Amino acid sequence: KQEVTQIPAALSVPEGENLVLNCSFTDSAIYNLQWFRQDPGKGLTSLLLIQSSQREQTSGRLNASLDKSSGRSTLYIAASQPGDSATYLCAVSPNSGYALNFGKGTSLLVTP
Amino acid sequence: SAVISQKPSRDICQRGTSLTIQCQVDSQVTMMFWYRQQPGQSLTLIATANQGSEATYESGFVIDKFPISRPNLTFSTLTVSNMSPEDSSIYLCSVEDLDGYNEQFFGPGTRLTVL
Repeated sequence: KQEVTQIPAALSVPEGENLVLNCSFTDSAIYNLQWFRQDPGKGLTSLLLIQSSQREQTSGRLNASLDKSSGRSTLYIAASQPGDSATYLCAVSPNSGYALNFGKGTSLLVTP
Repeated sequence: SAVISQKPSRDICQRGTSLTIQCQVDSQVTMMFWYRQQPGQSLTLIATANQGSEATYESGFVIDKFPISRPNLTFSTLTVSNMSPEDSSIYLCSVEDLDGYNEQFFGPGTRLTVL
């Protein structure tokens, strides 16, 4: 059974800092990996999708990397802003047409 | 990317009653998924709904408690039956976008409180 772990569980940083969120998974046979953002009481917003054959994806200040063989992904957020405060979830899919396995998330607080 | 809406956005219900949650997608999709997110927890898959066939439920979830309908390629409903306070959660539907990348998108969720 796929287990997804996210470290740290919570993180507080001052505005402007660069930060890294970590995600690990136990079964390297994944189809793709997604990073999501969730604001309190809200749904999930997809941030980045990395296919199993890719090493990284970038969108604006966000960069996600994938090391499939070691079962790890990182989400790098550059020049953090208070608006980045949210919970960030990592999820993996075993194949097309299958549901996602989620980590428990990292709760990020960026202080002005 | 697929745009998903859910109704209701939130509800407060009495113990023993049932609530039906609707999920509408702006494009045709094959697979739809229903998740539950209990307070302070991550997402747990309830079932996968494929159009034209019975939903497939995960261990710990049964059809009598969470009946699902999937009448066409853009719509699904999840009913939470005979509710108890333990059913208080956010319920989310998601779809897999068939654009070649298989990215999954989520609805805004339904926040359910059972008294």
